[in-house]
Amino acid sequence: SAVISQKPSRDICQRGTSLTIQCQVDSQVTMMFWYRQQPGQSLTLIATANQGSEATYESGFVIDKFPISRPNLTFSTLTVSNMSPEDSSIYLCSVRGQNTEAFFGQGTRLTVV
Amino acid sequence: QKEVEQDPGPLSVPEGAIVSLNCTYSNSAFQYFMWYRQYSRKGPELLMYTYSSGNKEDGRFTAQVDKSSKYISLFIRDSQPSDSATYLCAMSVEGNEKLTFGTGTRLTIIP
Repeated sequence: SAVISQKPSRDICQRGTSLTIQCQVDSQVTMMFWYRQQPGQSLTLIATANQGSEATYESGFVIDKFPISRPNLTFSTLTVSNMSPEDSSIYLCSVRGQNTEAFFGQGTRLTVV
Repeated sequence: QKEVEQDPGPLSVPEGAIVSLNCTYSNSAFQYFMWYRQYSRKGPELLMYTYSSGNKEDGRFTAQVDKSSKYISLFIRDSQPSDSATYLCAMSVEGNEKLTFGTGTRLTIIP
């Protein structure tokens, strides 16, 4: 299994500002995944980050709102831009194991006020 | 109808009891099935992974997959207060990186 470090673990932000979340993996991986987990709801995939190419976004998520960087095979960032209270959620970074099982970081708990 | 349905609970059981957690799904193409445990303020932790139908046991945990009924279960024997967490099921189609998650069941084990 991979060890995934995510930071910050939590933050309280003012509406209209942006927050960048960092994800570091202890091994090289081709794809990294970013999820959102809203209270009482299942995990929702935001986008898949591939090294050396543009991220692939799921329906309902756009690059202007959630820009992603993937500078190398062990690191990725997700930015939540122009935040509103509706963006308050847990954001999770994930990588896959050999059999498609997912491993997660500890998450970033974001509160927008 | 959601692709994966999971009773959100909450579910409270006394210590030592057998716990049964379940998910149903509608996509017959799902081949990989996973159970995750998520403690409060933590990321999901992989508990069990199963490919196709059948049972898999790991210590106090048993995962069952019944593809004919589109139904998966996680059993926890001799439940402990440390098992108190939210349990999420997840599944995927072979060759597809996308996982589909249930909403999670909040479980409390009462000492």
